[in-house]
Amino acid sequence: AQSVAQPEDQVNVAEGNPLTVKCTYSVSGNPYLFWYVQYPNRGLQFLLKYITGDNLVKGSYGFEAEFNKSQTSFHLKKPSALVSDSALYFCAVSALEYGNKLVFGAGTILRVKS
Amino acid sequence: EAQVTQNPRYLITVTGKKLTVTCSQNMNHEYMSWYRQDPGLGLRQIYYSMNVEVTDKGDVPEGYKVSRKEKRNFPLILESPSPNQTSLYFCASSLKWTAFSGNTIYFGEGSWLTVV
Repeated sequence: AQSVAQPEDQVNVAEGNPLTVKCTYSVSGNPYLFWYVQYPNRGLQFLLKYITGDNLVKGSYGFEAEFNKSQTSFHLKKPSALVSDSALYFCAVSALEYGNKLVFGAGTILRVKS
Repeated sequence: EAQVTQNPRYLITVTGKKLTVTCSQNMNHEYMSWYRQDPGLGLRQIYYSMNVEVTDKGDVPEGYKVSRKEKRNFPLILESPSPNQTSLYFCASSLKWTAFSGNTIYFGEGSWLTVV
């Protein structure tokens, strides 16, 4: 199985509607999970991470993500999308078996239409 | 302002002409790394450095070299660039980073490299 899978190449949502960007992972031990966002012609910006503790993690710009161990998922969510949220989103995982790097998913383009 | 700075941001070069992409961070981070981003593949690690004079290969090191002579700088060297190295390159850093450090990795703004 892929280390990190983002099953949707693109997600389209109307402004004001809730959004979800999906991420599933495959590790043999406990993962640390991250979300990054890449705006056009910009670098990667850190959004949020799950290390331990509460399964619901809150991050920048109103985003949150829920760690679900049984489903090996870490979906990114936002209650009300903004046009300015349109960007490329990456899920990433660190785990002992992957050594000294983050392993990234292929990315999901989020398009929010007004 | 805490940041990771890469230069150049955009470069078109010819096959075989050596080039260096510089990376500098002002956060006194020990860990630095280079990734390349290609469509449909996400980001893949090229090389990383746990500290000064300590570097190691990532997943796609072929055709690249790095050095870490100072804590703040981690240049990426393409000795003889080829068209398959056309990509978007990111430098990254973190305070101390291992799989379970929990520390955040910070990225630069990227360098678009085209090899013709």
